[in-house]
Amino acid sequence: AQSVAQPEDQVNVAEGNPLTVKCTYSVSGNPYLFWYVQYPNRGLQFLLKYITGDNLVKGSYGFEAEFNKSQTSFHLKKPSALVSDSALYFCAVRAISGGYNKLIFGAGTRLAVHP
Amino acid sequence: SAVISQKPSRDICQRGTSLTIQCQVDSQVTMMFWYRQQPGQSLTLIATANQGSEATYESGFVIDKFPISRPNLTFSTLTVSNMSPEDSSIYLCSIRRTIGTALNYGYTFGSGTRLTVV
Repeated sequence: AQSVAQPEDQVNVAEGNPLTVKCTYSVSGNPYLFWYVQYPNRGLQFLLKYITGDNLVKGSYGFEAEFNKSQTSFHLKKPSALVSDSALYFCAVRAISGGYNKLIFGAGTRLAVHP
Repeated sequence: SAVISQKPSRDICQRGTSLTIQCQVDSQVTMMFWYRQQPGQSLTLIATANQGSEATYESGFVIDKFPISRPNLTFSTLTVSNMSPEDSSIYLCSIRRTIGTALNYGYTFGSGTRLTVV
């Protein structure tokens, strides 16, 4: 079955420290991978994606993610966390089912950055 | 990139009534999607809406409860019918972009409709 796993419900990090939000996936074919962020009472904002090319992709707000095919992972990283990064983060993968492409989301990881 | 306008942004509804959510895109798109995000949960796909054909519903979602219209390439509606408190969620529409190369592939989301059923 095609799926996305975010093993951590919450990640706590001190401001200025590096952060990692984990994501692993299971999908048939070449994976199209995405990270989105959701702030309270706001919509879903796109951060970055991996389609093809370099395994390290850079996105909005200083975030980056590394695609690792052998480990089927796409962890989100940032070298120095900000309090304003505190939000809900979703990893997603394109799945193909019944001839349709659709986006499957992980359960989400709440990032809390403490001053 | 395409701009999606979704309305209403929020509503409080009485149980047993229905609410229709509208999603307007500023450019033509082939595929539109409707998601539900229950409180404290992730996003779950309700259905895929293609213009000119019946929507394709995911397991656990039925047309009688969530009828969808897709009259043209820029507009879609989702109706939440005969609502109960369990329908209290955020409902989001989404489009898929496939213009140009694969590197342009992506999904854009509306700002969501926060529904509370009392």
